[in-house]
Amino acid sequence: AQSVSQHNHHVILSEAASLELGCNYSYGGTVNLFWYVQYPGQHLQLLLKYFSGDPLVKGIKGFEAEFIKSKFSFNLRKPSVQWSDTAEYFCAVNEGTNAGKSTFGDGTTLTVKP
Amino acid sequence: GAGVSQSPSNKVTEKGKDVELRCDPISGHTALYWYRQSLGQGLEFLIYFQGNSAPDKSGLPSDRFSAERTGGSVSTLTIQRTQQEDSAVYLCASSTRGALNSPLHFGNGTRLTVT
Repeated sequence: AQSVSQHNHHVILSEAASLELGCNYSYGGTVNLFWYVQYPGQHLQLLLKYFSGDPLVKGIKGFEAEFIKSKFSFNLRKPSVQWSDTAEYFCAVNEGTNAGKSTFGDGTTLTVKP
Repeated sequence: GAGVSQSPSNKVTEKGKDVELRCDPISGHTALYWYRQSLGQGLEFLIYFQGNSAPDKSGLPSDRFSAERTGGSVSTLTIQRTQQEDSAVYLCASSTRGALNSPLHFGNGTRLTVT
């Protein structure tokens, strides 16, 4: 079965620090990859997605993620975080045999100190 | 436009009681999903409806859990004889086609507490 691993459970950064959140998945076939974000008191929403083409994808609010097929990874990055980026971040994978059924990681809580 | 709507937002119930959770997806979305999020954990897939196809029930944890989707729109998740381990946030999501590249649109969830 597909599995998704997010390496960091809780990350604490100061404003302007750089961010990288790790995500690895287990499926070796065709995958579509997503990062979702849940801000405090809000519902989960899409941050960015990778379907095909350029493995470096850009999302909202200055976030980007790089798909590295050989490493089964889809790490999320932001060069300079803001206090408003404090949220929980989830990596998700859709794989070819379960079209549309996303498998989620356990999430990473990011706290940005002002 | 209107997003995914879930009700109730909070539900406290006694162990052994039945509960029904409701989800109203985004209009026009053919795929509907239920996930469960327990404290400190990720999202656990429960069930998936796509159009008129038979639902994918592979994630339902026991036969106490069931779900239906009426008229291809509103869905109800029913938990019978609730147990304390059922306490979690139940999330509903919908997507345009349920295809490999369709992102999910989530509701705010129902926080279920079984006492």
